Amino acid sequence: SQTIHQWPATLVQPVGSPLSLECTVEGTSNPNLYWYRQAAGRGLQLLFYSVGIGQISSEVPQNLSASRPQDRQFILSSKKLLLSDSGFYLCAWSLQYGYTFGSGTRLTVV
Amino acid sequence: GDSVTQMEGPVTLSEEAFLTINCTYTATGYPSLFWYVQYPGEGLQLLLKATKADDKGSNKGFEATYRKETTSFHLEKGSVQVSDSAVYFCALSDQTGANNLFFGTGTRLTVIP
Repeated sequence: SQTIHQWPATLVQPVGSPLSLECTVEGTSNPNLYWYRQAAGRGLQLLFYSVGIGQISSEVPQNLSASRPQDRQFILSSKKLLLSDSGFYLCAWSLQYGYTFGSGTRLTVV
Repeated sequence: GDSVTQMEGPVTLSEEAFLTINCTYTATGYPSLFWYVQYPGEGLQLLLKATKADDKGSNKGFEATYRKETTSFHLEKGSVQVSDSAVYFCALSDQTGANNLFFGTGTRLTVIP
């Protein structure tokens, strides 16, 4: 069966510190992978998507970056976090019509 | 560009009341439409979907019909329960190679006993 793992579930980081959130997918090959963010009181915003290893597209300019070192691994990073990076980050994968989301990471930058 | 406009909340209903959450979309081509639900403290789960005009998606008593003529995909449930309290997101998929999802802003539903 296809599953998606995202960790950590919660994270509190000081301003200026680095960030690395990891997402891995099992049971499928060559999926499209996505990072979304849900800021407090707002909807979901697509940050990055990837259609293959090493292929990253950014939807909005920001302080974050993404990488896909392996087919089923998608990493969200930042060199220096800002307060505005706080939010709920969701990883997702899709093949055709369906999306499957991870359980999310709640990031609080203090 | 593609976008989704969703009824703003929050919505508070009594148990067994009828629910409608409006959703309209703007898209070029023929998108697929989805409703996702986010229960407190959890990630998003697919609630239902419709991939072409006049399709009706249904799950857990919720229904939504893909209306091309009105570009709408309203979510309905005849009798809500306390356990339906969650945030509901309408979304469309642009069906391009990247298959991106565009979300509405979400509607928070609270059902009171």
